Amino acid sequence: GDSVTQMEGPVTLSEEAFLTINCTYTATGYPSLFWYVQYPGEGLQLLLKATKADDKGSNKGFEATYRKETTSFHLEKGSVQVSDSAVYFCALTTYSSASKIIFGSGTRLSIRP
Amino acid sequence: SAVISQKPSRDICQRGTSLTIQCQVDSQVTMMFWYRQQPGQSLTLIATANQGSEATYESGFVIDKFPISRPNLTFSTLTVSNMSPEDSSIYLCSVIRTSGNQETQYFGPGTRLLVL
Repeated sequence: GDSVTQMEGPVTLSEEAFLTINCTYTATGYPSLFWYVQYPGEGLQLLLKATKADDKGSNKGFEATYRKETTSFHLEKGSVQVSDSAVYFCALTTYSSASKIIFGSGTRLSIRP
Repeated sequence: SAVISQKPSRDICQRGTSLTIQCQVDSQVTMMFWYRQQPGQSLTLIATANQGSEATYESGFVIDKFPISRPNLTFSTLTVSNMSPEDSSIYLCSVIRTSGNQETQYFGPGTRLLVL
């Protein structure tokens, strides 16, 4: 079945460091891919998305490129801030999943000042 | 985007009691869902709330434990019945909004439930 695998956390970085959170997927059909972020004590927010191969989603300095050849959607940011500390979820939907979103297990990111 | 509100935002309940969570969306949506996020874990779909008919439950979830109402296209409720400490979770309402031929799923802020 469809699934999402993302790197396990927690990930701890210093402020201004480069961030990569890996995400790979397995899906039938042509999935849409998403990154959601959950800040401490808050609900889930859509961070960025990409709906077809080679699309790049971007928001708040974060980027992720839909790589069909490697079935990946890695999240990157060039210079992280303390305010980026949160849990990040990679997710997908496919037509075959009837719009049900499938989440990865989440990666907790902590940024040190 | 979609503006989704949930009430209550958090609650502490005694075992054996029930809690009803409300979800309000800023405009009509066809598809509405309820998720559970247990401590330190990812989200699990409980059910799809269908307007005008019974909700569609995922494996492991039943209507007697999680009755759902969907009286119109902007509102839904989820009841957590006969609660036990294992029901302590964040419960999230979610909707799908379509723009052109693209669908995006949005989530409410969640209801944090602690069962003692």
